[in-house]
Amino acid sequence: DSGVTQTPKHLITATGQRVTLRCSPRSGDLSVYWYQQSLDQGLQFLIQYYNGEERAKGNILERFSAQQFPDLHSELNLSSLELGDSALYFCASSGFGGASPTDTQYFGPGTRLTVL
Amino acid sequence: AQKITQTQPGMFVQEKEAVTLDCTYDTSDQSYGLFWYKQPSSGEMIFLIYQGSYDEQNATEGRYSLNFQKARKSANLVISASQLGDSAMYFCAMRETNSGYALNFGKGTSLLVTP
Repeated sequence: DSGVTQTPKHLITATGQRVTLRCSPRSGDLSVYWYQQSLDQGLQFLIQYYNGEERAKGNILERFSAQQFPDLHSELNLSSLELGDSALYFCASSGFGGASPTDTQYFGPGTRLTVL
Repeated sequence: AQKITQTQPGMFVQEKEAVTLDCTYDTSDQSYGLFWYKQPSSGEMIFLIYQGSYDEQNATEGRYSLNFQKARKSANLVISASQLGDSAMYFCAMRETNSGYALNFGKGTSLLVTP
């Protein structure tokens, strides 16, 4: 158990809908990262938050947004869902948010999103 | 351009044998970190081992060791005394100082340990 929690574990929805994925980092970790894993794209970085502020953006679509709250949990919002958004979405957390390149990221169990 | 290359889509190893999973990387940064993660069929990503670019000694964690050859830009994972529970996907990843600290992942190697 990495200490990172993600809810829900599975999500099935229809095209055009909006969903929210939730992540709680490990106790004491300030940084949260979101990744998407799909068969065709592999594991891709979406966005990083550090202590409530956006720190880095990756290949995140404009239909997707995220935030980190004062209690450090994070939410990833996916809207106008398309079939191609079906994927495993991971949240990871780390202690320092990038002060060292070896700041290890610990992953949650993931949320499997299926868009029908 | 692909930053992390894992050339072995699938590997087989017999129980109790050692296996090496290959990983090469591409970066112009002097400071970076290399990581290996395991993803069993259940889907979670489990951190195994890391190596910093300035570390002179190869990292080891139990049965896992990282064969780090900086000049060749390779960071191979060695699993000793393979167990059936080692069957999983293995991902090599890199974190660069100048790229926002996100992890860049390779495409992974599927390892099957046979009795």
